Amino acid sequence: DAGITQSPRHKVTETGTPVTLRCHQTENHRYMYWYRQDPGHGLRLIHYSYGVKDTDKGEVSDGYSVSRSKTEDFLLTLESATSSQTSVYFCAIRGGLAGVNEQFFGPGTRLTVL
Amino acid sequence: AQSVTQLDSHVSVSEGTPVLLRCNYSSSYSPSLFWYVQHPNKGLQLLLKYTSAATLVKGINGFEAEFKKSETSFHLTKPSAHMSDAAEYFCVVSGISSNTGKLIFGQGTTLQVKP
Repeated sequence: DAGITQSPRHKVTETGTPVTLRCHQTENHRYMYWYRQDPGHGLRLIHYSYGVKDTDKGEVSDGYSVSRSKTEDFLLTLESATSSQTSVYFCAIRGGLAGVNEQFFGPGTRLTVL
Repeated sequence: AQSVTQLDSHVSVSEGTPVLLRCNYSSSYSPSLFWYVQHPNKGLQLLLKYTSAATLVKGINGFEAEFKKSETSFHLTKPSAHMSDAAEYFCVVSGISSNTGKLIFGQGTTLQVKP
């Protein structure tokens, strides 16, 4: 599973509270990604990182921020959680040879915002 | 813009019969294409990938897919379904800027395998 862990695996929180999800990788990959998965939408990219302190937005970035202070950790923060952010969140790393964009995914975090 | 469409949201087959999951893509240049599988309450696993080498790609667990540029299709097949194949399957295309490694996912096809 490409040495990717996510924490926590499950979280229930209340509207308006801040939430931080952590993705940790052990294989020194440069690129890391955060997705959310919702029924009927497949996976949608929230943010991604192409190196320490280098991040960019994906297609559904509103309400989310990220940080990457070291290669192995990529944090996703919901500053003020809303019910629409109830979802399953997946972290991924880009693996394979240069020019091949396959990604390998973590086990996911199920977030419920009440 | 690049996009991917999975033509069936749900496919049901009997165990031992062939599986066909359909995927069409749109891309302004030669894409990389992938199929991922997600078993219930699990993460995503790469089944196979196409990267402009052979057009018939073999993956894990007996699955294969054929890249057809003229039809802009990348359908996933398996000759004989097994109960353990029941899962959700995603067709994926690499994004416009390949340097970022962005992927674009289809909406998913749920495969049901009946005994």
